Amino acid sequence: AQKITQTQPGMFVQEKEAVTLDCTYDTSDPSYGLFWYKQPSSGEMIFLIYQGSYDQQNATEGRYSLNFQKARKSANLVISASQLGDSAMYFCAMREIGTGFQKLVFGTGTRLLVSP
Amino acid sequence: DVKVTQSSRYLVKRTGEKVFLECVQDMDHENMFWYRQDPGLGLRLIYFSYDVKMKEKGDIPEGYSVSREKKERFSLILESASTNQTSMYLCASSTPTSSLGETQYFGPGTRLLVL
Repeated sequence: AQKITQTQPGMFVQEKEAVTLDCTYDTSDPSYGLFWYKQPSSGEMIFLIYQGSYDQQNATEGRYSLNFQKARKSANLVISASQLGDSAMYFCAMREIGTGFQKLVFGTGTRLLVSP
Repeated sequence: DVKVTQSSRYLVKRTGEKVFLECVQDMDHENMFWYRQDPGLGLRLIYFSYDVKMKEKGDIPEGYSVSREKKERFSLILESASTNQTSMYLCASSTPTSSLGETQYFGPGTRLLVL
């Protein structure tokens, strides 16, 4: 079974609009962490935002926020006021206590295209 | 500023060749990782190392080996390259952590084409 599911292979958004990228996860561990990374065409993975399973509030980092719904096992990334530079691949990832904290499991990614 | 570098951005090899992909980090991290990235499959872990000379298989180790002789350097080896190893290879490093929130730091990737 997939640990991390990203059902949107591609998304389009106009500049200055908000966009939500979906991520659902599957784990039986009570302690886990969820990450979002951005991969521009240059190839490097850039860490965006983190949400811990015990965090009471949704994580925010500038224009990025994480809509964490624990009961539904979803951790959607919300980008507000999209910019042309947001065009990239976006990956959701999870770390579980059961893996000894060291490994990340990634989803298949969503390609976001921001148009002028 | 954290830095993970990979020896080549693009590499073209022939079937059957031995291929070395090198990764160097300057953050004194104990953990280092090799992933391959394919369209529609995301990132899959090939091997990781948690200390010098220590290694652990990831999800797709078949056809690959690794070497970690120095803390800062982690090499991925394709003993006999095959066309199905054409892919993007990403190296990452991190501190050993008991914190769920510790991120991994990635290199720019190597796009390998095996003909």
